[in-house]
Amino acid sequence: GAGVSQSPRYKVAKRGQDVALRCDPISGHVSLFWYQQALGQGPEFLTYFQNEAQLDKSGLPSDRFFAERPEGSVSTLKIQRTQQEDSAVYLCASTSPGQGVYEQYFGPGTRLTVT
Amino acid sequence: AQSVTQLGSHVSVSEGALVLLRCNYSSSVPPYLFWYVQYPNQGLQLLLKYTSAATLVKGINGFEAEFKKSETSFHLTKPSAHMSDAAEYFCAVDAGGTSYGKLTFGQGTILTVHP
Repeated sequence: GAGVSQSPRYKVAKRGQDVALRCDPISGHVSLFWYQQALGQGPEFLTYFQNEAQLDKSGLPSDRFFAERPEGSVSTLKIQRTQQEDSAVYLCASTSPGQGVYEQYFGPGTRLTVT
Repeated sequence: AQSVTQLGSHVSVSEGALVLLRCNYSSSVPPYLFWYVQYPNQGLQLLLKYTSAATLVKGINGFEAEFKKSETSFHLTKPSAHMSDAAEYFCAVDAGGTSYGKLTFGQGTILTVHP
């Protein structure tokens, strides 16, 4: 079956531009996570959705970061006025309680480069 | 708060040699522990997970890990390395502070396998 997909795979933005990153989770997965992976680092939690509800946004680094999942399926991570420190790979993961111990399935990521 | 430390950002082994990737965690509650593998330009794939059942956990591709509470460790091993094992490996902890499986990752260990 289809896994988690993300688009675009690569994005180059000029500093100050707004970007939108899309995540299509596995069909039927209730839970959706966003992580940020800087070069040479492990992924860091950004935010969590259960269906359309954003239950944890404690990892969002600033108010320039905004995420939504309006219909409980596709999610969009938006970054306003991008800065160079936003350059990273943004990973999306989905899971469902039926998977057991929250086994998260990751997408391939979107590599954002801010110039 | 939980944290994960992976000892050694780079590990190099010969094909056929033992693979040992080290992971230590800190958690105030009994944790769930995971090892993920990441190939270049791909998302993370789950290798194995510890969920408070057997302390020796077997995963895919011949990998296994042993949970040692007294040492707060969850080291990943494979008896005989293959060239295809070359990738980056991440240890992660879900310390159970949330109900939905928020993961904290280590910094990653790049495994190189040479002929």
